[in-house]
Amino acid sequence: GESVGLHLPTLSVQEGDNSIINCAYSNSASDYFIWYKQESGKGPQFIIDIRSNMDKRQGQRVTVLLNKTVKHLSLQIAATQPGDSAVYFCAENIGGYQKVTFGTGTKLQVIP
Amino acid sequence: EAGVAQSPRYKIIEKRQSVAFWCNPISGHATLYWYQQILGQGPKLLIQFQNNGVVDDSQLPKDRFSAERLKGVDSTLKIQPAKLEDSAVYLCASSKGQILSYNEQFFGPGTRLTVL
Repeated sequence: GESVGLHLPTLSVQEGDNSIINCAYSNSASDYFIWYKQESGKGPQFIIDIRSNMDKRQGQRVTVLLNKTVKHLSLQIAATQPGDSAVYFCAENIGGYQKVTFGTGTKLQVIP
Repeated sequence: EAGVAQSPRYKIIEKRQSVAFWCNPISGHATLYWYQQILGQGPKLLIQFQNNGVVDDSQLPKDRFSAERLKGVDSTLKIQPAKLEDSAVYLCASSKGQILSYNEQFFGPGTRLTVL
């Protein structure tokens, strides 16, 4: 199907290297953040989340870093694999409820 | 566990025509969301239901868009009449509850709408 990644910033990474995807969020009142992965022709899929009382959270091969001072999030993917190729979105939320606001995505291309 | 089902997967219509999309959430999920995703952008929430009640429809263009979830399970989203700028993927998502920090949202595959 048609890619959701057209006109998005693109990060190209060699297979096996680490990837770092950055995101600037807009609302200083946001206190809950989510990273989603969206493959072509599919809906977004939850990867990892973090609350504002933390500055780092680790999952399986993924780490999210939060810098509230500069309203910045990053997603680190260790040992990037071809299956990691997708568009990645950060999303912000206030209070863990009400609507989630998605940021501009980043397309990750893994070079075999 | 079956995921969120949406139909149709693709739809092509001419401007000023009407179109409807259907969503069947994951069984037992009380909260249902409709998002619009324009090519190259992140999804934008159109409407959120809690059971059969509307929680948030602040970004729904109510002059042409409508949505319902009459029995608190399936939902339909309608556009009448469609405009060229409505071309997008319409995503349905569901979660067990409203508090996202405790209830993961699960997304369907979306319906890709092209308005000519």
